[in-house]
Amino acid sequence: GAVVSQHPSWVICKSGTSVKIECRSLDFQATTMFWYRQFPKQSLMLMATSNEGSKATYEQGVEKDKFLINHASLTLSTLTVTSAHPEDSSFYICSASNPGGYNQPQHFGDGTRLSIL
Amino acid sequence: KNEVEQSPQNLTAQEGEFITINCSYSVGISALHWLQQHPGGGIVSLFMLSSGKKKHGRLIATINIQEKHSSLHITASHPRDSAVYICTRNTDKLIFGTGTRLQVFP
Repeated sequence: GAVVSQHPSWVICKSGTSVKIECRSLDFQATTMFWYRQFPKQSLMLMATSNEGSKATYEQGVEKDKFLINHASLTLSTLTVTSAHPEDSSFYICSASNPGGYNQPQHFGDGTRLSIL
Repeated sequence: KNEVEQSPQNLTAQEGEFITINCSYSVGISALHWLQQHPGGGIVSLFMLSSGKKKHGRLIATINIQEKHSSLHITASHPRDSAVYICTRNTDKLIFGTGTRLQVFP
């Protein structure tokens, strides 16, 4: 089946550091990738939709300058948390789908647990 | 009020029991996903359905578009089924349910 690889699995870093998270589709081309955030015991929240070759679409309340998304190829999207602070500590997870967007099966990465000290 | 409501929020069962998790949504959809999130955080897509019923192994998902309701059933539950089960409605964007935390004890 389709596989989405997310890296790194966990990150611990100091406040002020920028952190890059990669999401790769390993055996299919993903024109659309999605980035989510999840706080403990809470539901997933969609942060942004990443479209290959164009700007990402951010959900209301998500700072585009804080969470930089790049989808430079059909198999790779990156999320960079810039100047991270303790409140950015969370579980970040990506998903990818074949062309067709939301009505296609979603394939999820294993997530990245980010801890900012 | 969340657009996608799940019940129950927490569920405890003995191994072998039949499990039902319910999902109700307030806005019309074209498709609904059932996801399974393991304790480590990883998410597996179980079903995507827009009508009727789907079955995969011990898992069965049903949806009633008119009533805006879906159910996920687990037959002969097993401790490895312990996870958070999330329904997600698909229309113009993904809206996640609150999740149901299932624990199955031996």
